[in-house]
Amino acid sequence: NAGVTQTPKFQVLKTGQSMTLQCAQDMNHEYMSWYRQDPGMGLRLIHYSVGAGITDQGEVPNGYNVSRSTTEDFPLRLLSAAPSQTSVYFCASRKDPTNYGYTFGSGTRLTVV
Amino acid sequence: DQQVKQNSPSLSVQEGRISILNCDYTNSMFDYFLWYKKYPAEGPTFLISISSIKDKNEDGRFTVFLNKSAKHLSLHIVPSQPGDSAVYFCAALSSGSARQLTFGSGTQLTVLP
Repeated sequence: NAGVTQTPKFQVLKTGQSMTLQCAQDMNHEYMSWYRQDPGMGLRLIHYSVGAGITDQGEVPNGYNVSRSTTEDFPLRLLSAAPSQTSVYFCASRKDPTNYGYTFGSGTRLTVV
Repeated sequence: DQQVKQNSPSLSVQEGRISILNCDYTNSMFDYFLWYKKYPAEGPTFLISISSIKDKNEDGRFTVFLNKSAKHLSLHIVPSQPGDSAVYFCAALSSGSARQLTFGSGTQLTVLP
């Protein structure tokens, strides 16, 4: 049981480049979310999904897109990378609305130069 | 404006003593609170939670206290151990269908041997 798997672990992008951060879970969890962690600001919600085909915006969605074509995968796309998107990105999942203990992936450290 | 605040960025405690981590919130719609623990280069892991209908929840060495009138919660770790050294995040869930986490900025706990 791998839990929540994020790839890559590290990435350096040039301003304007696009890329996709991958997230997969093997726990048959319905709820999945993407967070970014910045110094002094905790984790902030970017986008989330309550099931396949259903996504919604979080607190800081600008510059990011998501889709949820399967229960297992929830990729995060950076459309045109900016230095302000330099951060550590975490994907998380939970089983259902009554189970609040999210399982987090180990993170992707992204640097935009 | 941060709805969940952890005003102490860091805390140092001697091994065997009590660690008390504090968290304040402003949103009256929050009805469930969680603490997460995070080691470097890892994702946060769920530690303990409390519903707003309770004022205390214990799990081994960890106890969370909730004071709804003061919009304040605290995590007590007794006795503290060097392995408890990590960043601790307070998080809250608001009532409603989305039920997404709002995190505080975290407190770095260092337990000195």
